[in-house]
Amino acid sequence: KAGVTQTPRYLIKTRGQQVTLSCSPISGHRSVSWYQQTPGQGLQFLFEYFSETQRNKGNFPGRFSGRQFSNSRSEMNVSTLELGDSALYLCASSRGQGSTEAFFGQGTRLTVV
Amino acid sequence: QKEVEQNSGPLSVPEGAIASLNCTYSDRGSQSFFWYRQYSGKSPELIMSIYSNGDKEDGRFTAQLNKASQYVSLLIRDSQPSDSATYLCAVTSNSGYALNFGKGTSLLVTP
Repeated sequence: KAGVTQTPRYLIKTRGQQVTLSCSPISGHRSVSWYQQTPGQGLQFLFEYFSETQRNKGNFPGRFSGRQFSNSRSEMNVSTLELGDSALYLCASSRGQGSTEAFFGQGTRLTVV
Repeated sequence: QKEVEQNSGPLSVPEGAIASLNCTYSDRGSQSFFWYRQYSGKSPELIMSIYSNGDKEDGRFTAQLNKASQYVSLLIRDSQPSDSATYLCAVTSNSGYALNFGKGTSLLVTP
């Protein structure tokens, strides 16, 4: 059974640009969550989607947005990149109903220069 | 601010010993509790989940939950050098749709 797939694995962007990250969940999983991981702050929750609806959002500025498609694949977008957005962005999928066990993808390492 | 607290470590144990990792949380509404293992440069891997008070065993791992004390722990028996990693405690938010993570405890198992 395929795991959670995130693309791309690595990205280098310039300040002010925007970026879109992609996540394909485990087959049959309908919930996708996004997290930002930095050495200083650890893992922080960005948002969660279930059946194309955002159910919960973390404490991040509006530059961070996401969406989920009918096949449960999800994308997150960061606009007007700042140096502080450099981080590992992790996507996790779960069944979303009756189970909150979440499984992570390999992550996208974003570097903003 | 809902918090999950862990000692950052490093926790150093000799091979074959029991490693004990602890976590406290502040949100009394939390219902689900997880331990993830993260090797350097890799993503977190789910190793244990626990939902009710008491112990849950899976192989060399035992998770313990005490909701009254808002305390979760992970015991690793017969620790191996391959267990050397950062262990992350995660607790569901009140909504149940997000995980709040501790900053992790670094475990080093020495041969």
